[in-house]
Amino acid sequence: DAKTTQPPSMDCAEGRAANLPCNHSTISGNEYVYWYRQIHSQGPQYIIHGLKNNETNEMASLIITEDRKSSTLILPHATLRDTAVYYCIVRVADNFNKFYFGSGTKLNVKP
Amino acid sequence: DAGVTQSPTHLIKTRGQQVTLRCSPKSGHDTVSWYQQALGQGPQFIFQYYEEEERQRGNFPDRFSGHQFPNYSSELNVNALLLGDSALYLCASSLAPTILAKNIQYFGAGTRLSVL
Repeated sequence: DAKTTQPPSMDCAEGRAANLPCNHSTISGNEYVYWYRQIHSQGPQYIIHGLKNNETNEMASLIITEDRKSSTLILPHATLRDTAVYYCIVRVADNFNKFYFGSGTKLNVKP
Repeated sequence: DAGVTQSPTHLIKTRGQQVTLRCSPKSGHDTVSWYQQALGQGPQFIFQYYEEEERQRGNFPDRFSGHQFPNYSSELNVNALLLGDSALYLCASSLAPTILAKNIQYFGAGTRLSVL
């Protein structure tokens, strides 16, 4: 049921920006893009979400393409603590708040 | 403010046994969803409870059942355990089901179930 495609792994140098891509080419007009991350065997942690406009919060920025078929999560200054599996999720804006997770991207931040 | 809490943190069972996992939602939340996460995979939606009723269900057999109590806490029950039920079971809480994008799900740390 996952509607997203992500690379299985990425490396990033500490202090540099980490850009995590996500493809959601079948997204519908009423579907939101959410990003969560999961640090080894803990529960997933909410990062950010958006519909069609770019979004920024204290953790990250979310860039959604104009056609909404892909998005990029940007961690501006990655630290070792950002090493985790990052999930891009498409959520239908219905009355049921369930998420379909894919396999995610393992981000390895290296010193 | 306590977040989502789950108990126990770890559990070991044998095939054929039954297990009950527990979840207390984040303060102010009234909706609980359960997910199963096998090793190396993303979480898979099991079901969601709101107003003490199962509102949505993923592709899981009837061996998986649940309950929600008046205080919004929830239980996940799995009968006739199989080896393949070994996984991390995650509970997530949120506000009442709504189309609003701000209805963020908050996850607990999970219960690690091992079936031998």
